[in-house]
Amino acid sequence: GAGVSQSPRYKVTKRGQDVALRCDPISGHVSLYWYRQALGQGPEFLTYFNYEAQQDKSGLPNDRFSAERPEGSISTLTIQRTEQRDSAMYRCASSLLAGGPETQYFGPGTRLLVL
Amino acid sequence: AQTVTQSQPEMSVQEAETVTLSCTYDTSESDYYLFWYKQPPSRQMILVIRQEAYKQQNATENRFSVNFQKAAKSFSLKISDSQLGDAAMYFCAYRALTGTASKLTFGTGTRLQVTL
Repeated sequence: GAGVSQSPRYKVTKRGQDVALRCDPISGHVSLYWYRQALGQGPEFLTYFNYEAQQDKSGLPNDRFSAERPEGSISTLTIQRTEQRDSAMYRCASSLLAGGPETQYFGPGTRLLVL
Repeated sequence: AQTVTQSQPEMSVQEAETVTLSCTYDTSESDYYLFWYKQPPSRQMILVIRQEAYKQQNATENRFSVNFQKAAKSFSLKISDSQLGDAAMYFCAYRALTGTASKLTFGTGTRLQVTL
């Protein structure tokens, strides 16, 4: 595609429900990243993949958060048993290659609101 | 752990004037990359400019330039001939070359207002 796409763009859910956020990276991009951005803050790293392999998940806040990229393209970030503190903008980014000076291209984000 | 600090929550500049946004960072690495991202009201994240730490020459992209002071761990963004479309949140970001090399660490952002 022309850019990184994310769906849904907005998600409202009730506390305790599970949510799945989808990221479709730029075609051919090896690396895919997930960030979370609270209101008034900069994005915070969650996890990233090279191809289908999860390389670093040190930013996932707890075991309710998981991510996968089974075929090395589309990725899903899943939050189980959502809590109000999970409300934030979830951003996905992709880059052509891993590491180095590669530019990370960001998607429009999914705004999650947990009631 | 690396940290990025933006000490100016808000800045204002008149159209056609020049403004400088500050950023400092903390790292024990010698090689790394620094970035400025722009987040307009649409909340997209757009790369403005990038600097490699091993390069002494400051990066420039049209009206945007940086003042990179490696010893001081300072990386400021200068916007010349400011335009209304420059109004946005600006985030400074750091990326290590090794280890968790792909992770971007962001500052808290500076909101830039452009006035007529």
